Amino acid sequence: GESVGLHLPTLSVQEGDNSIINCAYSNSASDYFIWYKQESGKGPQFIIDIRSNMDKRQGQRVTVLLNKTVKHLSLQIAATQPGDSAVYFCAENSQGGSEKLVFGKGTKLTVNP
Amino acid sequence: NAGVMQNPRHLVRRRGQEARLRCSPMKGHSHVYWYRQLPEEGLKFMVYLQKENIIDESGMPKERFSAEFPKEGPSILRIQQVVRGDSAAYFCASSRGATSNYGYTFGSGTRLTVV
Repeated sequence: GESVGLHLPTLSVQEGDNSIINCAYSNSASDYFIWYKQESGKGPQFIIDIRSNMDKRQGQRVTVLLNKTVKHLSLQIAATQPGDSAVYFCAENSQGGSEKLVFGKGTKLTVNP
Repeated sequence: NAGVMQNPRHLVRRRGQEARLRCSPMKGHSHVYWYRQLPEEGLKFMVYLQKENIIDESGMPKERFSAEFPKEGPSILRIQQVVRGDSAAYFCASSRGATSNYGYTFGSGTRLTVV
């Protein structure tokens, strides 16, 4: 998921609906994935992570799904709230490789009351 | 229990001046990372440092940019002779160990504007 200089994909949902944000990652050797939430003017905030030996992990109101076959990651937010409005980024890392995270393009989520 | 502290939050520099961005990692964290974010883009890795050592600078521009993490004091990202294209948000993150074991925590960033 290398970022490119394009407009951010957007997702608009009604309050209370479930949201699904998708991410295609680039490196088949990546084995650790993180979803971050970034509100306007702030730094990225950790939401949930998953390792490549899992295909699903649940947190509070959030679920991350990992499909290694097609190199796809998704973030599901249940009962979306106005406070969930932000840009969401997936990031990948390869254990045994560099310590850097490679960020995806980001998706702007807008929750309508 | 302060998080990652970055200062200043906003920095305005004229073309040709120097910009110094500071980052104090979380307590107990000895790994520091710098990322740059252009508007409407994801974060791009710049450099990874441990105390007194640059571990990975593969994302740093070859000229004008440097970073340090001294034994005492904050990590510094230094940009010499700034140009308009350097205008961006610069984020620092810290961790206590390997990314895949601990992940890391980001600061609130420094927004650099070059006029």
